[in-house]
Amino acid sequence: NAGVTQTPKFQVLKTGQSMTLQCAQDMNHEYMSWYRQDPGMGLRLIHYSVGAGITDQGEVPNGYNVSRSTTEDFPLRLLSAAPSQTSVYFCASSNLRGYTGELFFGEGSRLTVL
Amino acid sequence: AQRVTQPEKLLSVFKGAPVELKCNYSYSGSPELFWYVQYSRQRLQLLLRHISRESIKGFTADLNKGETSFHLKKPFAQEEDSAMYYCALRSISNFGNEKLTFGTGTRLTIIP
Repeated sequence: NAGVTQTPKFQVLKTGQSMTLQCAQDMNHEYMSWYRQDPGMGLRLIHYSVGAGITDQGEVPNGYNVSRSTTEDFPLRLLSAAPSQTSVYFCASSNLRGYTGELFFGEGSRLTVL
Repeated sequence: AQRVTQPEKLLSVFKGAPVELKCNYSYSGSPELFWYVQYSRQRLQLLLRHISRESIKGFTADLNKGETSFHLKKPFAQEEDSAMYYCALRSISNFGNEKLTFGTGTRLTIIP
């Protein structure tokens, strides 16, 4: 049982490049989300999903796209990277049935945009 | 809109001294609050939730609706408590979707 798996762990991009951060969970969780962690800003919600085919915006969605075609996967796409998107990105999931409020986090993906 | 405030970015406490990490929230609905912790080189993980009224690793937190606070306390700090602590608030969006809003975090350092 791997839990929440994020790839890649590290990535360097040039301004304007595109990339996808992958997130997969094997716990059959309905809820999946993406956060970015910046010094002094804490964790800010980018996008989230409560099930396959359902996504919603969080606090800082601009510049990011998501889709949820399966329960297991929730990729985060940067269409045209900007230096302001340099951050550590965390994917997290939880079980909405019998909800306890506990989010299970991935190890994080450190992205640098030059 | 919901908001979580952690006023201290950094907190240093001597080993054996009491610890209090502050958290205040604003939310129009019925609040559900959590503390998450991130130890060095580990994943962010749930420490405790207010509805459980539990003590985890010696930490407790009481929800005070009058003061809209959910401060995290421990009577005697230990070196292994050094970590980043986040307070979080569960809310329901206008579309009925679940969200967890985090504060900016407090880095706790225990001085030996």
